[in-house]
Amino acid sequence: DAGITQSPRHKVTETGTPVTLRCHQTENHRYMYWYRQDPGHGLRLIHYSYGVKDTDKGEVSDGYSVSRSKTEDFLLTLESATSSQTSVYFCAAGGEVGEKLFFGSGTQLSVL
Amino acid sequence: KNQVEQSPQSLIILEGKNCTLQCNYTVSPFSNLRWYKQDTGRGPVSLTIMTFSENTKSNGRYTATLDADTKQSSLHITASQLSDSASYICVVLPNFNKFYFGSGTKLNVKP
Repeated sequence: DAGITQSPRHKVTETGTPVTLRCHQTENHRYMYWYRQDPGHGLRLIHYSYGVKDTDKGEVSDGYSVSRSKTEDFLLTLESATSSQTSVYFCAAGGEVGEKLFFGSGTQLSVL
Repeated sequence: KNQVEQSPQSLIILEGKNCTLQCNYTVSPFSNLRWYKQDTGRGPVSLTIMTFSENTKSNGRYTATLDADTKQSSLHITASQLSDSASYICVVLPNFNKFYFGSGTKLNVKP
């Protein structure tokens, strides 16, 4: 997956608990993204980062926060998980004009 | 409203046959269009990137076409293989950090 590692790969948690997903990249990409993928929907952007400590909201950012303290790491936090946040979460990096966007293998999150 | 529509939603073909997947978009202004392949349980992987001035691009047995006037693209797969079974996602970019994803076409290649 082009040097992008997501952890954990699978997570089951209970409603109301905080959850943090981690994305690590080894190719020094400036841009990093968190998406969620649900049946019947295209990938939807949660948050993205355009540099260390520079982040912005995507189209479905409610209930999520992110942090990027180092170029290689981008964390996604669900402050208080809800069942509607059950999804597959993908991290991506790259994506500047003409540049490929590289994806991690995804994290399957189930909120019970 | 910026949208990307793909058809069909799903497709079953026999190994060795050709197929064509469609992508229509309303995203404007247009920068580039990408096709991705997503195997089950994996992240999407880039197949092609096409800019406004390109109307055909090939990657092995995959050939993408783009008609920027009608805002349509297609992905043609030649001599399909079992390993082509996957979801194919069309992505359109109006600028460098905004990606509009289609819902994908799920292709099943049967022996």
